[in-house]
Amino acid sequence: AQSVTQPDIHITVSEGASLELRCNYSYGATPYLFWYVQSPGQGLQLLLKYFSGDTLVQGIKGFEAEFKRSQSSFNLRKPSVHWSDAAEYFCAVGGYGNKLVFGAGTILRVKS
Amino acid sequence: GAVVSQHPSRVICKSGTSVKIECRSLDFQATTMFWYRQFPKKSLMLMATSNEGSKATYEQGVEKDKFLINHASLTLSTLTVTSAHPEDSSFYICSAQTALQETQYFGPGTRLLVL
Repeated sequence: AQSVTQPDIHITVSEGASLELRCNYSYGATPYLFWYVQSPGQGLQLLLKYFSGDTLVQGIKGFEAEFKRSQSSFNLRKPSVHWSDAAEYFCAVGGYGNKLVFGAGTILRVKS
Repeated sequence: GAVVSQHPSRVICKSGTSVKIECRSLDFQATTMFWYRQFPKKSLMLMATSNEGSKATYEQGVEKDKFLINHASLTLSTLTVTSAHPEDSSFYICSAQTALQETQYFGPGTRLLVL
């Protein structure tokens, strides 16, 4: 069965500190992996995606993620967090033409 | 690019009335659109997959007669909540998938409150 696990429900980091949000997936075929961000009361914005090729992908707003097939992980990272990064982050997995399966989300709080 | 709009952004209606929500892909053609429901502090729950020109495919447990979906063109899908009740109050989000069927782009969501 397809599933996505985001083990951290909440994460709090200081502004300027580095960030890593964890994502583990289970998928029977070659996965397409996504990270989306949602601000309160808003839709989801695509941060980055991985289909194939280089396992380190760069996204918008200074985010990057690394695909590790052996660990079934696709963790999101940012070297220096800004207060405007406070939001909820969703990891999702899908395949060609297939629907997405979302993780439960991780709420990021940034303290000044 | 890849902008998806939803209208209205929020709606309040009386119990028993019907509400229509529109989802448009503004700068690309979307053969497939998806409708999600999101409960407070929860992840997204897929309600149905809508393909242009054909009937929508509903997820298990979603009442197709209550949540009517129409995908009449490559840029527009509509969700109609029929005979709405307070338990239908929620945040509804649509997404549109590119022709390459790789990536879903999401609309800003519609907040529905049924009194």
